[in-house]
Amino acid sequence: AQSVSQHNHHVILSEAASLELGCNYSYGGTVNLFWYVQYPGQHLQLLLKYFSGDPLVKGIKGFEAEFIKSKFSFNLRKPSVQWSDTAEYFCAAKEGSQGNLIFGKGTKLSVKP
Amino acid sequence: GAGVSQTPSNKVTEKGKYVELRCDPISGHTALYWYRQSLGQGPEFLIYFQGTGAADDSGLPNDRFFAVRPEGSVSTLKIQRTERGDSAVYLCASSLLRGGAGLYNEQFFGPGTRLTVL
Repeated sequence: AQSVSQHNHHVILSEAASLELGCNYSYGGTVNLFWYVQYPGQHLQLLLKYFSGDPLVKGIKGFEAEFIKSKFSFNLRKPSVQWSDTAEYFCAAKEGSQGNLIFGKGTKLSVKP
Repeated sequence: GAGVSQTPSNKVTEKGKYVELRCDPISGHTALYWYRQSLGQGPEFLIYFQGTGAADDSGLPNDRFFAVRPEGSVSTLKIQRTERGDSAVYLCASSLLRGGAGLYNEQFFGPGTRLTVL
């Protein structure tokens, strides 16, 4: 069965530090990949998605992610974080013909002002 | 326009009781999904509907869980004989239409219903 792994449970950074959150998936076929964000007290929102084409995907708020098929990875990056990026980040995958998403356990990001 | 709404926002019940959780998708969205998020975990798929029919219910943990969407809009997740292990946040999402291979329609999530079984 397909699974998604996020190895960082809690990341603490100072403002202006660079961010990289790891995500690995297990499925070898056609897969669509996503990062969702959940700000404190808010619902899950889509940050960015990949389903074909350029493996470097740009999302909202300066986030980007790179799909590396050979490594089964889709890591999230941001060159300079802000206090307002404090949130929980979830990586998710969808097998080609399925409708539902499979989520990782999430990474909590705390940015110190 | 309005997003996905879920009611109630919080539900506390006793072990063995029956509960219903409601989801109101974004108007016009044909696909509707239910997920469950336990503490410290990511959302876990339960069931999804395309229109009125359950297209995939493989995530329902057992036969105490059931969901309906009789008119292809509002959906109700029903849990019979609740157990303490059912305590979680139940999330609903909707999308314009089901994503097939190479086609994705963003799933918009509601705020969730926090269910506590005492």
